[in-house]
Amino acid sequence: KAGVTQTPRYLIKTRGQQVTLSCSPISGHRSVSWYQQTPGQGLQFLFEYFSETQRNKGNFPGRFSGRQFSNSRSEMNVSTLELGDSALYLCASSLTDTNEQFFGPGTRLTVL
Amino acid sequence: KQEVTQIPAALSVPEGENLVLNCSFTDSAIYNLQWFRQDPGKGLTSLLLIQSSQREQTSGRLNASLDKSSGRSTLYIAASQPGDSATYLCAVSDNFNKFYFGSGTKLNVKP
Repeated sequence: KAGVTQTPRYLIKTRGQQVTLSCSPISGHRSVSWYQQTPGQGLQFLFEYFSETQRNKGNFPGRFSGRQFSNSRSEMNVSTLELGDSALYLCASSLTDTNEQFFGPGTRLTVL
Repeated sequence: KQEVTQIPAALSVPEGENLVLNCSFTDSAIYNLQWFRQDPGKGLTSLLLIQSSQREQTSGRLNASLDKSSGRSTLYIAASQPGDSATYLCAVSDNFNKFYFGSGTKLNVKP
């Protein structure tokens, strides 16, 4: 079974731009969660989608948004990028019965 | 609000040593607890998952225990190897499918 895939793997943007990251979960997994990881703040929860609905949300500004498609693939969007948005963005998928999370390799976003 | 703490933040041991990593959480109303390892710049790899009704799980040289009442979990690594060098994170989930991560223990196993 293929694992969680994320595209692109690396991204360089400038302040003020917007970016869209993509995540394809493991086949059969309907829950997709997004996290931001930085050296200073560690791993912080952004949001979780289940069956195309946002089920949970972390404490991030409205510039961070996401969506999930009918095939469970998910995208997250960050508008008006700031230098502090530079981070490793991780996506995880899980089965609803166990809640065991499986992570993708991440997208390294650098904002200049 | 659930808070997850991992101690120590960093650990350096010689190859072959058995070691214990600690994870504590403030709210015992958890759904499950999961241990991960993360190599530099990479995603997280799931090591062990313990459901709230379980006391421990084992996989190879790894054993994780869970004591919900005291809000603690330990990850025991037997006969450590240099390839075990990584950051180890624990995470707890609540009944609403929200996950809370510790800040990790960075392990260095010296040859």
